Amino acid sequence: SYVLTQPPSVSVAPGQTAIITCGGNNIGSKSVHWYQQKPGQAPVVVVYDDTDRPSGIPERFSGSNSGNTATLTVSRVEAGDEADYYCQVWDSDSDHVVFGGGTKLTVL
Amino acid sequence: EVQLVESGGGLVQPGGSLRLSCAASGLTFSSYWMYWVRQPPGKGLVWVSRINSDGSSTSNADSVKGRFTISRDNTKNTLYLQMNSLRAEDTAVYYCASGLSPWGTDYWGQGTLVTVSS
Repeated sequence: SYVLTQPPSVSVAPGQTAIITCGGNNIGSKSVHWYQQKPGQAPVVVVYDDTDRPSGIPERFSGSNSGNTATLTVSRVEAGDEADYYCQVWDSDSDHVVFGGGTKLTVL
Repeated sequence: EVQLVESGGGLVQPGGSLRLSCAASGLTFSSYWMYWVRQPPGKGLVWVSRINSDGSSTSNADSVKGRFTISRDNTKNTLYLQMNSLRAEDTAVYYCASGLSPWGTDYWGQGTLVTVSS
């Protein structure tokens, strides 16, 4: 089965840039979604189809995807960005949806 | 405004059954793929099941295959998850989510808690 690997945690100071990676075999050939989940809340899509942002999501959130790694970049990090972030793809071979293990973003 | 509202969660004994519902509004329900995703207490998101827009095609995670059945009623704008032979490891918050494609979601409900315990 297809596996997505994320770092358990990332820490950055306010105003700095957070980079969250999502590793998977040839993930560059798949469409990656990124979700933000704050404590006690449902997940929210922050990036879809590798690089697109839903309306209402700040431009500070951006995505890229190439080779074996997809990346979510959060620029000018704010205290309100502190949350768990999950990557997700669809594995067409198995017709299964796959989530990464999640990354906790801490704003120092 | 899109709303997805889950219901039907609760406490059930191991081996028991439960049926979750997800009522959708604010979107053309019959155009959307629908998903169930669960989150065990303190853990990450886990995909459970997915159904296409007209209900003719479904896919399930290996961990629930043969026990859980996803279905939908497009006349009632409602998604269902029939859960049988429940196990302690099925304990989780269950979210329903919508998407215009088979490869990702856009809107999520607030979730319903299922606890499997004797």
